[in-house]
Amino acid sequence: GAVVSQHPSRVICKSGTSVKIECRSLDFQATTMFWYRQFPKKSLMLMATSNEGSKATYEQGVEKDKFLINHASLTLSTLTVTSAHPEDSSFYICSALSGSGHNEQFFGPGTRLTVL
Amino acid sequence: DQQVKQNSPSLSVQEGRISILNCDYTNSMFDYFLWYKKYPAEGPTFLISISSIKDKNEDGRFTVFLNKSAKHLSLHIVPSQPGDSAVYFCAARTNTNAGKSTFGDGTTLTVKP
Repeated sequence: GAVVSQHPSRVICKSGTSVKIECRSLDFQATTMFWYRQFPKKSLMLMATSNEGSKATYEQGVEKDKFLINHASLTLSTLTVTSAHPEDSSFYICSALSGSGHNEQFFGPGTRLTVL
Repeated sequence: DQQVKQNSPSLSVQEGRISILNCDYTNSMFDYFLWYKKYPAEGPTFLISISSIKDKNEDGRFTVFLNKSAKHLSLHIVPSQPGDSAVYFCAARTNTNAGKSTFGDGTTLTVKP
């Protein structure tokens, strides 16, 4: 299957700082990527849909000014958690649509964010 | 309102036996269903899917059954292996939102040697 990478895999930061997470589709072009957040023992919560060359579409309840998404190329989307607080600590996962077959989603390995 | 529900948070089976993971949905517009497998600290990986025009799809040890009238699907793994131990997510989507899937809360499967 297609490969999606995320960087960094783990990040610890101080409260009030901003953190950028990268999501890359390594062997295919993805016009659409998704950003999820997973709480412990809970489902993947869709935060936003990232479309290459246009503004991201945020799900209800997700602060667009706090979670900045940039999809500048067909292989890269970034999520920036601005002015991070401890409650932002979570596992963030991106996925990319393959655009072929049944338009499968391929997920990245996730990024564990810990805000002190 | 949770549109995709996995009512069993955990399941434990003996190696070699069948594992049956269940999933219910409420949105009748869903027409494509997927199962993902997830290990700790990793992203989900696609396992198997089924279109609403079918009631069964089989891939090796994995079979997904769809009962549209009951809005229910299940994933059967037989024979179960210890390496199958993971969290399994059921997901569903509509054709108009191709790619944007709604996920259940997951079921943690433990296969005991």
